[in-house]
Amino acid sequence: SQKIEQNSEALNIQEGKTATLTCNYTNYSPAYLQWYRQDPGRGPVFLLLIRENEKEKRKERLKVTFDTTLKQSLFHITASQPADSATYLCALGSAGNMLTFGGGTRLMVKP
Amino acid sequence: SAVISQKPSRDICQRGTSLTIQCQVDSQVTMMFWYRQQPGQSLTLIATANQGSEATYESGFVIDKFPISRPNLTFSTLTVSNMSPEDSSIYLCSVLPPTSPETQYFGPGTRLLVL
Repeated sequence: SQKIEQNSEALNIQEGKTATLTCNYTNYSPAYLQWYRQDPGRGPVFLLLIRENEKEKRKERLKVTFDTTLKQSLFHITASQPADSATYLCALGSAGNMLTFGGGTRLMVKP
Repeated sequence: SAVISQKPSRDICQRGTSLTIQCQVDSQVTMMFWYRQQPGQSLTLIATANQGSEATYESGFVIDKFPISRPNLTFSTLTVSNMSPEDSSIYLCSVLPPTSPETQYFGPGTRLLVL
């Protein structure tokens, strides 16, 4: 069956460092992959989309890589700030624009 | 983008009762979805709300338990029927705006606690 794995343990890093979050998947051939941010008590907010034929995408301090051979995406936040503390969800998209979400990883950036 | 509101934002309900959650979008959208997010878990798709026809339910979700209405392109309701404590969860609606058909925009969610 399809499976999307994100590290369920919280990631704690120091302000200014680069945070790297991992999303691995099995039994899936997504057309694209997305990353969302979710703050407590709020709905997810879209951050980045990367397609199956793209290796890397950047947006300001965010960088996403997508390796369809390894079936893995890495999500990087450079020069992290305490305001970046949140849960980050990866989601795989297929035909019909249906999304399947991973369990999310909680990021804590300490000042 | 799309701005989505949900009502109520939270509720505490008794076992055996039903609650209807409303989702309002500030623009017309074709695709509207309802998700459930149980405590500490990720989002699980309940159904796709189709305008003018019956909703399309995912495996494990049925219309009798989660009836959905979609009377127009800006509004939908999800009812959680005959509630039990296992239905305690956050319920979220999301949309795919026509201008960005691969990006889902989510409402703020409805936090439900069933006693």
